[in-house]
Amino acid sequence: QSALTQPASVSGSPGQSITISCTGTSSDVGSYNLVSWYQQHPGKAPKLMIYEGSKRPSGVSNRFSGSKSGNTASLTISGLQAEDEADYYCCSYAGSSRVFGGGTKLTVL
Amino acid sequence: QVQLQESGPGLVKPSQTLSLTCTVSGGSISSGDYYWSWIRQPPGKGLEWIGYIYYSGSTYYNPSLKSRVTISVDTSKNQFSLKLSSVTAADTAVYYCARESGYYDSSGYYYNWFDPWGQGTLVTVSS
Repeated sequence: QSALTQPASVSGSPGQSITISCTGTSSDVGSYNLVSWYQQHPGKAPKLMIYEGSKRPSGVSNRFSGSKSGNTASLTISGLQAEDEADYYCCSYAGSSRVFGGGTKLTVL
Repeated sequence: QVQLQESGPGLVKPSQTLSLTCTVSGGSISSGDYYWSWIRQPPGKGLEWIGYIYYSGSTYYNPSLKSRVTISVDTSKNQFSLKLSSVTAADTAVYYCARESGYYDSSGYYYNWFDPWGQGTLVTVSS
């Protein structure tokens, strides 16, 4: 299966909000499942930020939120902070397999 | 809390078999509540799911790698392992192991996520 489609890069100033999209098909994102989102700083392992489409693990800031509409899932980060600068990946169940998005580099200006 | 740690050779010759082990601490791999996955990331590129194993030994692999991948589990050592055969330079990557949670709800929705992850280990394929 093909990787989910994410914008290669997004940017925003401190305090602003940004949204990262994750577009798939009716066989993955648009199917009966909800995506998870991961944050990855350079040289570090990915960190779970959103699961079940919109839930946050303990310790993850409520500035991070997730949603879904049709074949597209979205991650919104509000009140951007310098430490949010990282790569972000979505992941979807895809009929027994799992597929990641290509990743989005977030730059905090 | 549960921690995962990858181990294995950092350099593998082309056409040989890459072998890695993930050791789970702080929890039992036999609990039955989770799948145990391998995920890789080529330098400067995105994440690619390789496959998972359940404590019973049942597996599922990424169709694009299926012919070369074997994932096994050793519950007595609380470890699971990855073997990738006939490697080429394209298999050079950081390899992560991760615990996957997953379940179906009453509406038929399936939820899954990876947490925690190991720190990752770089495997270079070169002669």
